[in-house]
Amino acid sequence: DVVLTQSPLSLPVTLGQPASISCTSSQRLVHSDGNTYLNWFQQRPGQSPRRLISKVSNRESGVPDRFSGSGSGTEFTLQISRVEAEDVGVYYCMQATHWPPLTFGGGTRVEIK
Amino acid sequence: QITLKESGPTLLKPTQTLTLTCSLSGLSISTTGVGVGWIRQPPGKALEWLGIIYWDDDKRYSPSLKSRLTITKDSSKNQVVLTVTNLDPVDTATYYCVNGFGKNWGQGILVTVSS
Repeated sequence: DVVLTQSPLSLPVTLGQPASISCTSSQRLVHSDGNTYLNWFQQRPGQSPRRLISKVSNRESGVPDRFSGSGSGTEFTLQISRVEAEDVGVYYCMQATHWPPLTFGGGTRVEIK
Repeated sequence: QITLKESGPTLLKPTQTLTLTCSLSGLSISTTGVGVGWIRQPPGKALEWLGIIYWDDDKRYSPSLKSRLTITKDSSKNQVVLTVTNLDPVDTATYYCVNGFGKNWGQGILVTVSS
């Protein structure tokens, strides 16, 4: 199974400041079709997860443009350009290149300082 | 608008079998290309993928749980059913049904396994 390691585990951020979450894969995530199936999810407190980004950098409809994804191979990053109060929650990366199983990272908790 | 809703028992005993139903709206399990999956999350822990069923009845399961999982569909009711056998307290989790690889999520249902 592909192991995804996220860092940091916890990320205290000042409102209006940037935040960056790392996701490192145990295998390269380039599929034979040329795509890289690395997704990012946000889970606000008490809510179901919500997909923010698919295939490394494609924002879902309705996702604010302060969220961006980047990376390649085994190293990926989710960035929030200016953190807002509604961004508090846990963020997960997930890979769908080498499956089954789909695998998730352990999560990064974003909180306001 | 696509919605998914999980239903089923919320308290079960060890060794029992869990059956959860995912009811779909705005999305048909009979439409070519559609897949509906299941993901669970133990309290305070990370997400774990369980499996997926496609419109053509193709199924994929997590290898670590495959022997205990069954996913079926009822096209007439537009529902997907997850069965987990031989429950253990470690199966206590919120169970989510999802569209494909997580484009849309249900509200989740907390299932507790306790004697």
